[in-house]
Amino acid sequence: GAGVSQSPSNKVTEKGKDVELRCDPISGHTALYWYRQSLGQGLEFLIYFQGNSAPDKSGLPSDRFSAERTGGSVSTLTIQRTQQEDSAVYLCASSPPLAASTDTQYFGPGTRLTVL
Amino acid sequence: AQSVTQLDSHVSVSEGTPVLLRCNYSSSYSPSLFWYVQHPNKGLQLLLKYTSAATLVKGINGFEAEFKKSETSFHLTKPSAHMSDAAEYFCVVSLYGGSQGNLIFGKGTKLSVKP
Repeated sequence: GAGVSQSPSNKVTEKGKDVELRCDPISGHTALYWYRQSLGQGLEFLIYFQGNSAPDKSGLPSDRFSAERTGGSVSTLTIQRTQQEDSAVYLCASSPPLAASTDTQYFGPGTRLTVL
Repeated sequence: AQSVTQLDSHVSVSEGTPVLLRCNYSSSYSPSLFWYVQHPNKGLQLLLKYTSAATLVKGINGFEAEFKKSETSFHLTKPSAHMSDAAEYFCVVSLYGGSQGNLIFGKGTKLSVKP
């Protein structure tokens, strides 16, 4: 079946511009996660959505970062007034409902963001 | 608090020789532990996971990992490396143990395989 998809695969923007990154999770998955992978670093958790519950935003690095999830499916990560340190690969993952008793996450291919 | 440490940032082996990628964890709960692999320009792929059912976990592509509570380790091994194993490997602990939540990733170990 279809996996997690993300768009665009690459995004180059100028410092100060806003960007939107999109994630389509696996159909039926209730949990959705955003991570950031900077060069030479591990993955950094950003935000977690679980069903209709309030999202866990504890990993967002600043108020320039926000995310929403419409209809419990597609999610958009927005970065306002981009800075060069925002350059990274942004990964999205989804996982099945809690009733499935698994915390395995399935990752998309990522969006490589370059801020000039 | 949960944390995970990958002891080697880079491991180089010859094709056909054993692979050992080391991982130590710290967890206040009974942890769920994972190994993910990331090939160049590809997404993260789950290799295997431990959720307390069995301490020796077998994954895809001939990899396996053993959970050792006394050593707080979850090292990844493979008896014989293949060129296609060259990739970056991440050891991961689930923040909330067996329930869902965010994952804590190690910084990764880059595996190189020489012909």
